[in-house]
Amino acid sequence: KNEVEQSPQNLTAQEGEFITINCSYSVGISALHWLQQHPGGGIVSLFMLSSGKKKHGRLIATINIQEKHSSLHITASHPRDSAVYICAVSPIQGAQKLVFGQGTRLTINP
Amino acid sequence: DAGVIQSPRHEVTEMGQEVTLRCKPISGHNSLFWYRQTMMRGLELLIYFNNNVPIDDSGMPEDRFSAKMPNASFSTLKIQPSEPRDSAVYFCASSILAVLSEQYFGPGTRLTVT
Repeated sequence: KNEVEQSPQNLTAQEGEFITINCSYSVGISALHWLQQHPGGGIVSLFMLSSGKKKHGRLIATINIQEKHSSLHITASHPRDSAVYICAVSPIQGAQKLVFGQGTRLTINP
Repeated sequence: DAGVIQSPRHEVTEMGQEVTLRCKPISGHNSLFWYRQTMMRGLELLIYFNNNVPIDDSGMPEDRFSAKMPNASFSTLKIQPSEPRDSAVYFCASSILAVLSEQYFGPGTRLTVT
């Protein structure tokens, strides 16, 4: 079993829909990261959080440390949001060593 | 800032050849990471450096892989000899040296070994 599990693996939605991607982890962490990888391949860090909630534009990330679970929400989704979203954790032991989930491939149709 | 720079962006080579991937981190960043991404295994950390010193190379798959960071602005990942199973996208990332710090990824090098 992977230390970081994401669901769903693939998600297709219509423009404007509210999107939720989930991440569960099994190790103690110092922080959790959400990354975005566009079809061109580049990887961008969206959020790093260790508690509560963060918001950036239409993106919201939440984390529940007790339940070892995080969600990434996209409001008013747009085709340009189509990408692979990757959850990664910084373990308490060796926080610089990110442990990655397998990613969620999101497709937003116009 | 130009961001993390990697070269080459694409590399096609024959099995048995030596491959060298290059990375220039963001100026002022003193941690550097090498990752490999494949369809089967996703993103995996190969090795990382703090202040040019290798801290953890436990992710390096075997002795054919080696990495160096001779100074704060340059790192290499070498595969010798290369094998078809080394085909992957290799990413370099950099960050400031801190327990918790955002990592900034380069555009990656797509390696194909035939």
